[in-house]
Amino acid sequence: KNQVEQSPQSLIILEGKNCTLQCNYTVSPFSNLRWYKQDTGRGPVSLTIMTFSENTKSNGRYTATLDADTKQSSLHITASQLSDSASYICVVSAPRGGYNKLIFGAGTRLAVHP
Amino acid sequence: DAGITQSPRYKITETGRQVTLMCHQTWSHSYMFWYRQDLGHGLRLIYYSAAADITDKGEVPDGYVVSRSKTENFPLTLESATRSQTSVYFCASSESSSSSYEQYFGPGTRLTVT
Repeated sequence: KNQVEQSPQSLIILEGKNCTLQCNYTVSPFSNLRWYKQDTGRGPVSLTIMTFSENTKSNGRYTATLDADTKQSSLHITASQLSDSASYICVVSAPRGGYNKLIFGAGTRLAVHP
Repeated sequence: DAGITQSPRYKITETGRQVTLMCHQTWSHSYMFWYRQDLGHGLRLIYYSAAADITDKGEVPDGYVVSRSKTENFPLTLESATRSQTSVYFCASSESSSSSYEQYFGPGTRLTVT
């Protein structure tokens, strides 16, 4: 069973609309939770990093929330643009021996249509 | 500033062949990582390196060999490629193993084993 589950697997929205992506995790203990954006044919790029004590973090039109009690996070995209079409990956960082292991979700593939 | 680069970007090889994927970073980051990304799965760690001449296994190391003679380079070798190693491979680097530090990803190498 994956320790980081994302939903939905894929999503289509119209340009200008908002959307929310979900992430549930079972990793414990964890150091922080990250959201990455991965454009087709590119490597992931970090959007936000939140520690367990942070409830929300914004990066422009992207707002991430974290509920460490229920082990849930969400990424809200406001006023979507065509350039938001990408995969969004939820990643939990967990201390493991000598380094912090990144545990990746499978991602949500977002398509923004004109 | 080139950042982190990977070569080749695309590679087709036959079962049983040896193939080496290259990774180069210009930031002098101590830590470097190799991941593979398969459809429906999150990125999985193959090997990582904390410094030159220091490497350690990740989640899925079987069939792979790494070396790190120089800080800036971290090649990944498939000694005898198998079809199950068809995947997209990402190299990443980080200043530190601390959870607050970013991992920066390269553009990826798409490997097909026939």
